Amino acid sequence: EAGVAQSPRYKIIEKRQSVAFWCNPISGHATLYWYQQILGQGPKLLIQFQNNGVVDDSQLPKDRFSAERLKGVDSTLKIQPAKLEDSAVYLCASSAQGQGWGTDTQYFGPGTRLTVL
Amino acid sequence: DAKTTQPNSMESNEEEPVHLPCNHSTISGTDYIHWYRQLPSQGPEYVIHGLTSNVNNRMASLAIAEDRKSSTLILHRATLRDAAVYYCILRGSGGSQGNLIFGKGTKLSVKP
Repeated sequence: EAGVAQSPRYKIIEKRQSVAFWCNPISGHATLYWYQQILGQGPKLLIQFQNNGVVDDSQLPKDRFSAERLKGVDSTLKIQPAKLEDSAVYLCASSAQGQGWGTDTQYFGPGTRLTVL
Repeated sequence: DAKTTQPNSMESNEEEPVHLPCNHSTISGTDYIHWYRQLPSQGPEYVIHGLTSNVNNRMASLAIAEDRKSSTLILHRATLRDAAVYYCILRGSGGSQGNLIFGKGTKLSVKP
């Protein structure tokens, strides 16, 4: 079974530029998550999709971050414009069930390491 | 904020057992105890989870205290590949309570 795919793996941009990350979840997984992991910390949930609808984006900085999951499969996360503090690893995860289930397993991709100069 | 407390770091020798502790004194009756680990330069991966009884799988064992206020992840024979950050996470059910909320975890070093 193929895992969660993410691209690019690395991205370096200057502040105020825009950047987009792509995620392809495990086939058939209804729920998709984007996390931000700053160096030395655990991942922090940014947004959660159930199929193509947003169910939790309470921690997404909506003035600069946006995400979409068209057709309930692939997803993109965009930052516009980027700030220095956005330097982090952006992780995508998927699960078969999702919100409300305390036992479903989340499968993570390798992440995209973003450096903002 | 994470609802669990873990040591920042631990060391182990290769091929010896490792016991990783986790305190969760405010656990509710419906919270599951999950463990994930994150190898260097990789995303987190699921290790094990439990509710009340001890659990075993091919990766590890989970020992849960009778009052459920603490738990221990047991790696029976540590290998170099087990060097990672281990996260202990409480997950409820219903809405955002089922979300994974990561703390800083325990960084496990394995010496050859």
